[in-house]
Amino acid sequence: EVQLVESGGGSVQPGGSLRLSCAASGFTFSSYWMSWVRQAPGEGLEWVANIKEDVSESYSVDSVKGRFTISRDNAKNSLYLQMNSLRAEDTAVYYCARGQHLAHWGQGTLVTVSS
Amino acid sequence: DIQMTQSPSSLSASVGDRVTITCRASQGIRNDLGWYQQKPGKAPKRLIYAASSLQTGVPSRFSGSGSGTEFTLTISSLQPEDFATYYCLQLNTYPFTFGGGTKVEIK
Repeated sequence: EVQLVESGGGSVQPGGSLRLSCAASGFTFSSYWMSWVRQAPGEGLEWVANIKEDVSESYSVDSVKGRFTISRDNAKNSLYLQMNSLRAEDTAVYYCARGQHLAHWGQGTLVTVSS
Repeated sequence: DIQMTQSPSSLSASVGDRVTITCRASQGIRNDLGWYQQKPGKAPKRLIYAASSLQTGVPSRFSGSGSGTEFTLTISSLQPEDFATYYCLQLNTYPFTFGGGTKVEIK
């Protein structure tokens, strides 16, 4: 069974940093693209970033470029999202998902950016 | 960026009704579209991929159609567990973009 478990969320002040993690199990992690998607409170879904199996390619939405970095460690079956220079508008539940096509999702981790 | 316009934004329907949700892309995306269902407080779940392929384990009352710029998700006979919010997602061009969502409520 595919399992994705996010962690690392919490409360942070504007301008601060957080690193989200996603622990994967139940599939061959190193064979799949991995993605991050977020959802602000009461709002719709927003695709954030993804990364290829061999880390040779990654893409992100313009609003996070230069601030967020997606990475992965295939030896640890883990996906990461390093978030710097956080803004109030980054407040959201962050989901990791398997594949470019988001076939399976984790339960999400809440990031709150507030002073 | 490709804009995904989803309609309606909400609808009220009864158990047994046929429900259709539409997504329109601002430019052609071939069949690079997925449909997702989200229930309150839960993670989204993929229902349809490649515009019309049913995800394994998803009931056959769900179906998708379309290509290019017009897509539809149809629930042939609405069941109590189908009351949720539905999103389309284009996966043709970066950044990938979701529709605004359609909330399906009980009439």
